[in-house]
Amino acid sequence: ETGVTQTPRHLVMGMTNKKSLKCEQHLGHNAMYWYKQSAKKPLELMFVYSLEERVENNSVPSRFSPECPNSSHLFLHLHTLQPEDSALYLCASSQVLRGQGYNEQFFGPGTRLTVL
Amino acid sequence: GQSLEQPSEVTAVEGAIVQINCTYQTSGFYGLSWYQQHDGGAPTFLSYNGLDGLEETGRFSSFLSRSDSYGYLLLQELQMKDSASYFCAVPPGKRNDMRFGAGTRLTVKP
Repeated sequence: ETGVTQTPRHLVMGMTNKKSLKCEQHLGHNAMYWYKQSAKKPLELMFVYSLEERVENNSVPSRFSPECPNSSHLFLHLHTLQPEDSALYLCASSQVLRGQGYNEQFFGPGTRLTVL
Repeated sequence: GQSLEQPSEVTAVEGAIVQINCTYQTSGFYGLSWYQQHDGGAPTFLSYNGLDGLEETGRFSSFLSRSDSYGYLLLQELQMKDSASYFCAVPPGKRNDMRFGAGTRLTVKP
């Protein structure tokens, strides 16, 4: 257990559904992240909430919408997804200091998403 | 931009030593990290190099040469449980996130 939990662990949804992924960290960290991991591709950063700012990968489609109500919780809202969005969605957290390269990320177990 | 290159697959036998290389291109350098991911599992942090040289943690060591934009992960006394994917990662500039390489799949055989 890394101190980062994700629910659900598996999700199957149709292209017209709306669902949300949830992440919670119990480590007191000040940054949380969403990554997408597709088969045979690098981990792809989707969104970062860090030190009260949000960073997003401009290539992420608008059908993915993050929400970070506080430093311990992170959501990824999904709507009208496409089959190519099927992947493992990983949440991570870390304690960051401005300008520091050391940024050990603690990953949750992931949500395996299948879009039909 | 940032890019990281590492071999896609490596195979070795139990008890052997294996080295996984990583070359990177970044706009500004803020350290090189390594992560391990077993099939079906989440990535877990292994090591970080902010300065040139070797960092040792048990059977695993990581090396960095900033002048060569190169690092490696060295795994000694390989065990079957070391079969996993290994990723090098760098922060993309001063942002608080990480850019990961495509990963090296290590298979340890008896």
